[in-house]
Amino acid sequence: SQQGEEDPQALSIQEGENATMNCSYKTSINNLQWYRQNSGRGLVHLILIRSNEREKHSGRLRVTLDTSKKSSSLLITASRAADTASYFCATLTFAQGGSEKLVFGKGTKLTVNP
Amino acid sequence: GAVVSQHPSRVICKSGTSVKIECRSLDFQATTMFWYRQFPKQSLMLMATSNEGSKATYEQGVEKDKFLINHASLTLSTLTVTSAHPEDSSFYICSASPGRPFIIASYNEQFFGPGTRLTVL
Repeated sequence: SQQGEEDPQALSIQEGENATMNCSYKTSINNLQWYRQNSGRGLVHLILIRSNEREKHSGRLRVTLDTSKKSSSLLITASRAADTASYFCATLTFAQGGSEKLVFGKGTKLTVNP
Repeated sequence: GAVVSQHPSRVICKSGTSVKIECRSLDFQATTMFWYRQFPKQSLMLMATSNEGSKATYEQGVEKDKFLINHASLTLSTLTVTSAHPEDSSFYICSASPGRPFIIASYNEQFFGPGTRLTVL
């Protein structure tokens, strides 16, 4: 089954509100990353948090990681209509042959209404 | 910096034809490139990892004879969908990493292309 599972699957909020998305995973990780994808487009890397970190900030983004619960959260503060996108967490694990690979969660579709 | 392009961005083809998708790292050398597939409203699934100059490593369940991957240079990898069928219709995304992956604590970031929408009629 997929490593990362985000909830909620869809989130609709008003501009200015905060948006919180959660991600759970199953196996040990090296790091966990959050990506953003606008509809029909590629992925944009938002933030990476290493397994020995608990919290990380980048602008309006705040990511937490709880390795004991195998979960992470992404908080977007003071949301804007331009934040409307799908957000994916991804964990770093190993591909066939032993090389690293990213395993993506199902994503949260965020809609920020003006 | 760290720009990855894909071509074409969108392709429509008839069933039975082959389609080639290119992934290029524009401003860095990518020893490793990754190909993902994304169905509508779903997540990205890794199809294969390709290292420059060697054969691609495919994930379990991915047909290597159907999805041919070539990584002939440090800036170009191609994915060819052979004898495409409607069920191959999907969004294909590549990513490129500037360094060969290590099986230790270090991490080489992946930079993603904008994706290619394939529709097979």
